[in-house]
Amino acid sequence: EDQVTQSPEALRLQEGESSSLNCSYTVSGLRGLFWYRQDPGKGPEFLFTLYSAGEEKEKERLKATLTKKESFLHITAPKPEDSATYLCAVQAFTGNQFYFGTGTSLTVIP
Amino acid sequence: DADVTQTPRNRITKTGKRIMLECSQTKGHDRMYWYRQDPGLGLRLIYYSFDVKDINKGEISDGYSVSRQAQAKFSLSLESAIPNQTALYFCATSDRSSGGARNEQFFGPGTRLTVL
Repeated sequence: EDQVTQSPEALRLQEGESSSLNCSYTVSGLRGLFWYRQDPGKGPEFLFTLYSAGEEKEKERLKATLTKKESFLHITAPKPEDSATYLCAVQAFTGNQFYFGTGTSLTVIP
Repeated sequence: DADVTQTPRNRITKTGKRIMLECSQTKGHDRMYWYRQDPGLGLRLIYYSFDVKDINKGEISDGYSVSRQAQAKFSLSLESAIPNQTALYFCATSDRSSGGARNEQFFGPGTRLTVL
């Protein structure tokens, strides 16, 4: 059964304190792994797509990496505006559905 | 203007009532999805459609139905609403991947539905 587990559920960081969020997945043939950012009361906003182990993507203070079993979202020197819930999703080659994790709620304290 | 819009944004209804949530998109995407989001459960797929004549059940379709009226419009109906359908509902779109290059989803702002 395809599934996605994100950890930790919540993370509090001081401004400038770098850390990583984890997304572990089980899928029968990975078509793609997706990272989204969700602000309170809003829909998820696309950040990255990763397709194969070893791939990395960067955007500002965020860097996403992928192995055969998990993905990491690294946040370097975070700022308060990075506070949000970060969602991970996977799509398998068999079937066309996306499976989402429950997210990591990140709070960056000034 | 937003690329993916949802109406209404908030709705309070009573048990047993029929409710329709509407989604429209101007992105020109062929694929549309309906999700619900519950605290601690994440986003779960209700239905998805890859074109006007294609409708597929998702993970949790019981108690819901959909209609794809046009490429740009995808409606979700709750035939007889019940309290455990209280949730945040999101519509999303994606474009048919070209060589597997891009398949990300674009989400609407959500509809908060409360069933009393």
